Amino acid sequence: SAVISQKPSRDICQRGTSLTIQCQVDSQVTMMFWYRQQPGQSLTLIATANQGSEATYESGFVIDKFPISRPNLTFSTLTVSNMSPEDSSIYLCSVGIARSYNEQFFGPGTRLTVL
Amino acid sequence: GQSLEQPSEVTAVEGAIVQINCTYQTSGFYGLSWYQQHDGGAPTFLSYNALDGLEETGRFSSFLSRSDSYGYLLLQELQMKDSASYFCASGQAAGNKLTFGGGTRVLVKP
Repeated sequence: SAVISQKPSRDICQRGTSLTIQCQVDSQVTMMFWYRQQPGQSLTLIATANQGSEATYESGFVIDKFPISRPNLTFSTLTVSNMSPEDSSIYLCSVGIARSYNEQFFGPGTRLTVL
Repeated sequence: GQSLEQPSEVTAVEGAIVQINCTYQTSGFYGLSWYQQHDGGAPTFLSYNALDGLEETGRFSSFLSRSDSYGYLLLQELQMKDSASYFCASGQAAGNKLTFGGGTRVLVKP
């Protein structure tokens, strides 16, 4: 298993600004994932972050809007840039350790509100 | 691409049995997982089926039929604490990532 923490837990931001979300894992992991979840909705994968390489983004998500850093095997950041109210959501990081990454452990999430 | 369909909501009483179905259309299918998420909480892993058949973990069981592109999560002896959203998710052989279904909200009544 893995214990994952995220900072901040929630934030209210003004449109046009940027927010960086941090994700810390208590063990070294190869792959980390960033998701977005609207309240009451499903999880949508934003990108996969490997240590030492560029993140791989899913369709509809671009690096300029959601830059990701992965400086080591226990830490990653996701930045939501030039925010608009449509970016209001819960952002979750996760790590996959077992069963070919089908078993993922999630952080508590960051609830973002953009005014 | 991948898509997973599951019912949006199920209501049942304590002690009952609930089956949440999940049908999928995927390329490079690599197993079906199930996650539970309580309101305001993070998703937590429940089970994973890589092969056809039934996997049992306490009160919860999960089933997969690859030939039918179908799986289900069975919740037995329902308890109030089982009120939550349940998501099926499929893995891909390439890319090591999950695609989630829309989620099923289970409401357990006394």
